[in-house]
Amino acid sequence: EVQLVESGGGLVQPGGSLRLSCAASGFTFSDHYMDWVRQAPGKGLEWVGRTRNRANSYTTEYAASVKGRFTISRDDSKNSLYLQMNSLKTEDTAVYYCARVYYARSTYFIDYWGQGTLVTVSS
Amino acid sequence: DIQMTQSPSSLSASVGDRVTISCRASQDISNSLVWFQQKPGKAPKSLIYAASFLQSGVPSKFSGSGSGTDFTLTISSLQPEDFATYYCQQYRSYPVTFGQGTRLEIK
Repeated sequence: EVQLVESGGGLVQPGGSLRLSCAASGFTFSDHYMDWVRQAPGKGLEWVGRTRNRANSYTTEYAASVKGRFTISRDDSKNSLYLQMNSLKTEDTAVYYCARVYYARSTYFIDYWGQGTLVTVSS
Repeated sequence: DIQMTQSPSSLSASVGDRVTISCRASQDISNSLVWFQQKPGKAPKSLIYAASFLQSGVPSKFSGSGSGTDFTLTISSLQPEDFATYYCQQYRSYPVTFGQGTRLEIK
């Protein structure tokens, strides 16, 4: 069974930093691209970014709203995904989900989600 | 960026009804579209990928269609557990973008 468990959320002041983790199990983590998606309270879903797998050099993509402030990384030996968030703003307040990306029919798309971890940026 | 627009934003229906939710892309995305269901306080769940292919374990009451810029999600014979918010997402190009969501409520 695919499981994704996020951790590391909490309250942080504007300008601060936080590192989220996602522990994966039930599948071959190293084969998959992985995404981070967030959802501000009462709002819709916003894609944050993606890390590709080793075969694709672990390259990354980011939403414009977080580029230069957030960094996605992974440790395949630990089946773990990370989101380093720096220079946090109040508008970064959201539930952050990690998500598995699946490859089928020549494209990549999310097929499994974690339960999310809440990040609150406030003074 | 590709903009995704869902309609309606909210929808009231009764148990047993058949409903259709639309999603329009601001440019051609071929069939690079996913539909998700999200219940309050829960993580989203993937329903359909490549516009019309059912994710494993998803009941056949859910169906998707469309290509290019116009897509639909149809849910037949609504049951209480189907009342939720539904999102479309394009993955044709970066950044990946979502529709604003359609809230399906019980009438």
